[in-house]
Amino acid sequence: NAGVMQNPRHLVRRRGQEARLRCSPMKGHSHVYWYRQLPEEGLKFMVYLQKENIIDESGMPKERFSAEFPKEGPSILRIQQVVRGDSAAYFCASSPGHHSGNTIYFGEGSWLTVV
Amino acid sequence: DQQVKQNSPSLSVQEGRISILNCDYTNSMFDYFLWYKKYPAEGPTFLISISSIKDKNEDGRFTVFLNKSAKHLSLHIVPSQPGDSAVYFCAARDRDDKIIFGKGTRLHILP
Repeated sequence: NAGVMQNPRHLVRRRGQEARLRCSPMKGHSHVYWYRQLPEEGLKFMVYLQKENIIDESGMPKERFSAEFPKEGPSILRIQQVVRGDSAAYFCASSPGHHSGNTIYFGEGSWLTVV
Repeated sequence: DQQVKQNSPSLSVQEGRISILNCDYTNSMFDYFLWYKKYPAEGPTFLISISSIKDKNEDGRFTVFLNKSAKHLSLHIVPSQPGDSAVYFCAARDRDDKIIFGKGTRLHILP
């Protein structure tokens, strides 16, 4: 399966714990996007990365959230000291690169529940 | 500040008829527009796209129309089928390759 792979699909964390969500882009894709969908809401942009570089993180909350896309391995979205309001579906998407007209393709999502 | 707006939260259409989903945008620098379909508990699936230099793109039952002067685009599905029942998201790409999504429209295809 050459699609965008996200894991875990479901994650339950207690308040104050850390959540790590992983995303492996499609083969040949060097750019990764993270989006969050709150219940009954649309897809909200969080961050756009290429390998070893954050291109745009204007949608990331200022505290507790961070993202990386290392030279080797998947992209990681990290949420420290989770709160109930972090419960949401987190979607990763990837694209081939910095060219006008490139479509982004999504993974199946990671559902975070904070209890 | 919502740059991509889908003003209809939901739409019901009879099976076999045409479904028209609308989207408005505010940023004239958007150069590429996309439509995605999403089922519950799944990731969004790419449907169709259009470059800002075109006014129409067609792929099977799906056609996207772009009216740049009105900053409006629409997705037409004809004929509508039961499997088309889903949430449809309109999205736009800015010059920095950031892709902004609307809040979605839930389409119900009625038997």
